[in-house]
Amino acid sequence: DADVTQTPRNRITKTGKRIMLECSQTKGHDRMYWYRQDPGLGLRLIYYSFDVKDINKGEISDGYSVSRQAQAKFSLSLESAIPNQTALYFCATSGEGGNTEAFFGQGTRLTVV
Amino acid sequence: AQSVTQLGSHVSVSEGALVLLRCNYSSSVPPYLFWYVQYPNQGLQLLLKYTSAATLVKGINGFEAEFKKSETSFHLTKPSAHMSDAAEYFCAVSYAGNNRKLIWGLGTSLAVNP
Repeated sequence: DADVTQTPRNRITKTGKRIMLECSQTKGHDRMYWYRQDPGLGLRLIYYSFDVKDINKGEISDGYSVSRQAQAKFSLSLESAIPNQTALYFCATSGEGGNTEAFFGQGTRLTVV
Repeated sequence: AQSVTQLGSHVSVSEGALVLLRCNYSSSVPPYLFWYVQYPNQGLQLLLKYTSAATLVKGINGFEAEFKKSETSFHLTKPSAHMSDAAEYFCAVSYAGNNRKLIWGLGTSLAVNP
């Protein structure tokens, strides 16, 4: 089984719809992250959580919300999807400290039409 | 502010040729440095990392990188490219302390030509 599992892998949704992307991890790490990847823009951090009670905005949090349901689960919601939220979304987890590796899910390709 | 610059958004090499992907960082404190690879339709996976031990770091699939403090660089190399090396490569930097997050470069797409 993968260390980090994202569901769904692909999703097409209509403008204005609410959508939730789910992420679960089996690494036992406290830290989890949601990133968005767009061509030429690299990875941009949407939200991150250092433990179940800790949620922080990243550099592009507008239009998104998150929920940390348990140490292993971190979901991302788009309350009212818009076309420019069409992107590849990644969930990741890491241990504490700046020298630890981040483990990524396979990604969710979201298309908003 | 800390930042990461990857020179060249697209690099093309011939199979068997040297691969050199450039990464420079700006930092006022000692960094931890990472290279990640993203194969098509997959997530990112760690290639190698520098965490203040040896300055020449060896990673998976024959890649290595050298930390040069004087040049603030952490370039990724591989002596002989293989077709399977075609992917997106990301350099990232982090720092000591529990609240430090990864700062990412914009990525370099590597094409390997037969």
